[in-house]
Amino acid sequence: EDQVTQSPEALRLQEGESSSLNCSYTVSGLRGLFWYRQDPGKGPEFLFTLYSAGEEKEKERLKATLTKKESFLHITAPKPEDSATYLCAAHFGNEKLTFGTGTRLTIIP
Amino acid sequence: NAGVTQTPKFQVLKTGQSMTLQCAQDMNHNSMYWYRQDPGMGLRLIYYSASEGTTDKGEVPNGYNVSRLNKREFSLRLESAAPSQTSVYFCASSEDYVSLRFSGNTIYFGEGSWLTVV
Repeated sequence: EDQVTQSPEALRLQEGESSSLNCSYTVSGLRGLFWYRQDPGKGPEFLFTLYSAGEEKEKERLKATLTKKESFLHITAPKPEDSATYLCAAHFGNEKLTFGTGTRLTIIP
Repeated sequence: NAGVTQTPKFQVLKTGQSMTLQCAQDMNHNSMYWYRQDPGMGLRLIYYSASEGTTDKGEVPNGYNVSRLNKREFSLRLESAAPSQTSVYFCASSEDYVSLRFSGNTIYFGEGSWLTVV
C-alpha cells in the first residue's frame, strides 16, 4: 500500500534557527510530491510540487527538494509567521493524493 | 478571490440526523473533491468528481453521498450521521482530475467545515 510518512510530528525552533522537515514515501511509481501549509482553522494552502529526483523549488524562506525515496522542506532563518502545520502528499498514479499526517512547526520569537 | 467556498463552517448533529455540506468554486475547475481530516490520520478522500456529471468513491465513502450539481458546485450529504463522522471536512478543486494530464495540476482547498456528531 502506498504510504507517506512525515517526521518529526512536531518541531519547535527559535526564530532564525534553520531546520528541515522530512517526507518519505513508498517508492512505487511516484508521479508527483506536493507540499502544503495549513494554518489552524484553515484549509491547506499549496506550496510546491516536485516531479523528479533532484528537483528543487524555493519560495521565500522555504526550499523543497526531492530524492528517490524522500522529500525535504528546508526552512531557512524562520520567522514566527512560518508557524503552521506542513503537509506533504504523493501522487502514485492512481485516483488520489496520499497525504502524510503533517509536521506541526512552531517558531518561537 | 473566493476560490473554494464551503458551508456551513460549524455544525453539531445528533446521531441519525442528516445534513448536506455545500461547496462551490469560482475557478472554472473541472474536478472537485471532498476530504475529511482526522487527528493522526491525514487527509482522506471521501468522493471526487472528475468532471461535471461524474462522481466516484474515494477511500472512505461509506455513510456519504455526493452530488455534482453543476460545474461550480459539489455537495456532500450525510444521510444518517454517526459519531465516527465527527471530523473536519474539506472541499477542494483542481483544473483537471488528479490522475489525468497531471503535470502542473494543483488542488486548491476550501476553509473547512467542522462537524460534530453527538
